[in-house]
Amino acid sequence: GAGVSQSPSNKVTEKGKDVELRCDPISGHTALYWYRQSLGQGLEFLIYFQGNSAPDKSGLPSDRFSAERTGGSVSTLTIQRTQQEDSAVYLCASSAYNTEAFFGQGTRLTVV
Amino acid sequence: QKEVEQDPGPLSVPEGAIVSLNCTYSNSAFQYFMWYRQYSRKGPELLMYTYSSGNKEDGRFTAQVDKSSKYISLFIRDSQPSDSATYLCAMKTGGFKTIFGAGTRLFVKA
Repeated sequence: GAGVSQSPSNKVTEKGKDVELRCDPISGHTALYWYRQSLGQGLEFLIYFQGNSAPDKSGLPSDRFSAERTGGSVSTLTIQRTQQEDSAVYLCASSAYNTEAFFGQGTRLTVV
Repeated sequence: QKEVEQDPGPLSVPEGAIVSLNCTYSNSAFQYFMWYRQYSRKGPELLMYTYSSGNKEDGRFTAQVDKSSKYISLFIRDSQPSDSATYLCAMKTGGFKTIFGAGTRLFVKA
């Protein structure tokens, strides 16, 4: 597609359930990023992929969070045993060498 | 200490004011500097992109980079209510990885 695509756009889940968030980057972009924005909070870095490897996972808040990227393209962010504090907008971005990052519209996750 | 520091605000100004948004950084190797604008319930979009030091102007927006002080600024002249958004600075050394500030929320009151 022409831009970064994220799905679902909205997700409501019950506390304790697992969720998967998907990011489809711009074709040819080898770098992919996941960020989180909680209500009233700033942009929080989660993980950075270069190709299929993740040289920087330092932002993942706990071992309930994991992410993978296959084929140098689509990425999935998985949150296990969701908690209410996981409620936030999860943003994905991608970039090519020496270009700016392009963001998707985000997935709004609500844990009830 | 974060690599990029940005005051989260909120910053509230009257319509027509000059707005100054700023970021400081610690990595002297950063060469590419960007400002993104994010409207409510939308993803951030690139607003300005500059390389190395100096100024870049685009309409009412001016981006300024001072590498000696490790300080970048975005100025908005004649601010409008439609400028109300979150503004994020970003920078990179080159290559792929981009580091973002947390964002500053701006409100322009009519």
